Amino acid sequence: EIVLTQSPVTLSLSPGERATLSCRASQNINRYLAWFQQKPGQAPRLLIYDASNRATDIPVRFSGSGSGTDFTLTISSLEPEDFAVYYCQQRSNWPITFGQGTRLEIK
Amino acid sequence: QVQLVESGGGVVQPGRSLRLSCAASGFTFSNYGMHWVRQAPGKGLEWVAVIWYDGTNKYYADSVKGRFTISRDNSENTLYLQMNSLRAEDTAVYSCARGGYYFDSSAPSDYWGQGTLVTVSS
Repeated sequence: EIVLTQSPVTLSLSPGERATLSCRASQNINRYLAWFQQKPGQAPRLLIYDASNRATDIPVRFSGSGSGTDFTLTISSLEPEDFAVYYCQQRSNWPITFGQGTRLEIK
Repeated sequence: QVQLVESGGGVVQPGRSLRLSCAASGFTFSNYGMHWVRQAPGKGLEWVAVIWYDGTNKYYADSVKGRFTISRDNSENTLYLQMNSLRAEDTAVYSCARGGYYFDSSAPSDYWGQGTLVTVSS
């Protein structure tokens, strides 16, 4: 099973700042990585698929990069609605796995 | 608009069975793969299973393999999860989520249901 390790566990930033979230895979997953955002009491929202493709209606301030084992989600300038938990997910190998999440909180 | 509505959750004793359903609407169900994902209270997301658009391929998390079965009825636009030999650690909100189109059935989910709570307790 591929293990995805997200860092940091918690990220404290202010609106307007740049956020950089990391996801590291235990083995090569090519570019089969997605990012999800989840707010309390809500279903997850797909942000990025295949490492760098924005999903439908996702603002351009969200971008993804990386390949192989190291991936990054960048939020260029934080809006108040961006504070949430973010998960990465790989589908390169079975079973599909999620990272443990990064909580992005308001500083 | 795409809608996914889960049902069938509840409280069940360890070792017993439960079947979850997910009613889909707003898209051509038979063209898409479908996932089940769960989230234990206060915990992160855990992928459970996926089924191909036509039901030919099914894959499971190691934690549920041999106990859970994913299936679908494309004539009824419904996804199922049969859960047997339930354990306390299976307690979670179970959500269905749309996968990818045709042969990209395992693609990450762009639409999710709100979930149904399964509590395994004596």
